[in-house]
Amino acid sequence: ELKVEQNPLFLSMQEGKNYTIYCNYSTTSDRLYWYRQDPGKSLESLFVLLSNGAVKQEGRLMASLDTKARLSTLHITAAVHDLSATYFCAVDGGSGNSGYALNFGKGTSLLVTP
Amino acid sequence: DAGITQSPRHKVTETGTPVTLRCHQTENHRYMYWYRQDPGHGLRLIHYSYGVKDTDKGEVSDGYSVSRSKTEDFLLTLESATSSQTSVYFCATLSRVSSGANVLTFGAGSRLTVL
Repeated sequence: ELKVEQNPLFLSMQEGKNYTIYCNYSTTSDRLYWYRQDPGKSLESLFVLLSNGAVKQEGRLMASLDTKARLSTLHITAAVHDLSATYFCAVDGGSGNSGYALNFGKGTSLLVTP
Repeated sequence: DAGITQSPRHKVTETGTPVTLRCHQTENHRYMYWYRQDPGHGLRLIHYSYGVKDTDKGEVSDGYSVSRSKTEDFLLTLESATSSQTSVYFCATLSRVSSGANVLTFGAGSRLTVL
């Protein structure tokens, strides 16, 4: 069974600070996704990481993937209030087991304060 | 939302009643999924479909059934709703983006409360 663990689950940080969210997963996979969810809203795709060493950046967010360590990170640079949301990592289970369904971590609730 | 419509968006029902949630997509995607989201659990897969009349179980399928008689519609049915099925239900479709990756795109969600 593919397990996905995120930490921390809750994060309160000041504006202007940097921080990293970690995502570990239990079985071999080279496709990892990061989603953002605002309160009461749906999930929005942020990043798709397709191979070992992949790095993607969008604004103040940067995601990376180390398939050998089964680890992805989401780094936040100089946080601003608009980044407050819940961030999920998800791993592709592959077509064989579950039709490309994603296994999700529990999410990291990020609150950026002045 | 990539042409995904979920209905109803909100529903309150009583224990023991049947409930059907509908997911409608306009993009002709082959794969469709039902997830539930609960605090502290993230999203968990209930059922998925890989074509018309082709469905399979996910991690938390007990108490749920699905049907897909047309490409565009994927129905989730709770035959006899229980309070433990109070949740937010998300439908998703699988599409290929410009990078070549398969990405799940989610609907707006259906909030179900079972009293």
